[in-house]
Amino acid sequence: EAGVAQSPRYKIIEKRQSVAFWCNPISGHATLYWYQQILGQGPKLLIQFQNNGVVDDSQLPKDRFSAERLKGVDSTLKIQPAKLEDSAVYLCASSAGTSSEQYFGPGTRLTVT
Amino acid sequence: AQSVSQHNHHVILSEAASLELGCNYSYGGTVNLFWYVQYPGQHLQLLLKYFSGDPLVKGIKGFEAEFIKSKFSFNLRKPSVQWSDTAEYFCAVISSASKIIFGSGTRLSIRP
Repeated sequence: EAGVAQSPRYKIIEKRQSVAFWCNPISGHATLYWYQQILGQGPKLLIQFQNNGVVDDSQLPKDRFSAERLKGVDSTLKIQPAKLEDSAVYLCASSAGTSSEQYFGPGTRLTVT
Repeated sequence: AQSVSQHNHHVILSEAASLELGCNYSYGGTVNLFWYVQYPGQHLQLLLKYFSGDPLVKGIKGFEAEFIKSKFSFNLRKPSVQWSDTAEYFCAVISSASKIIFGSGTRLSIRP
């Protein structure tokens, strides 16, 4: 069974630029999560999708971050414009249900200079 | 507000020592509890989980955790650690409202 795929693995941008991350979950998983993990901290949930609907985006900085999962399968997370404090690893995870164990992708390490 | 606390930020042990990592959460309702592990250079993976039933759950690689509802705790244990257990360990809680929160993690270093 293929795992959660993410791209790119690494990205370096200057502040005020925009960036997009892509995630393809495990086939058949209805729930998809985006997390931000800052060095030395645990993953912080940014947004949770159930199929193509948003379940929780309470911690998503909506003035600069956006995410979509249009066909209920893969998803993109965008930051525009980026700030220095956005430097982090962005993790995508998927699960069969909203309370099930999650399967994580390798993450995208973003550095904003 | 719901929160998860892992008080041990960095634990250093010798091989064969016993391990206990603390995890406390604040939420009064029904919860699902998880421990995830991140080995160096790898992505997060599930170590064990508790949904209901026997509060002592066993996971992979000899790990176990005990859910103590009265203490809002879900501590991770292993009787004898190995060098290969060097990793970062995260406790996570999903509330009945499907809200998920991760703890800040505990870095475990094992001296060979």
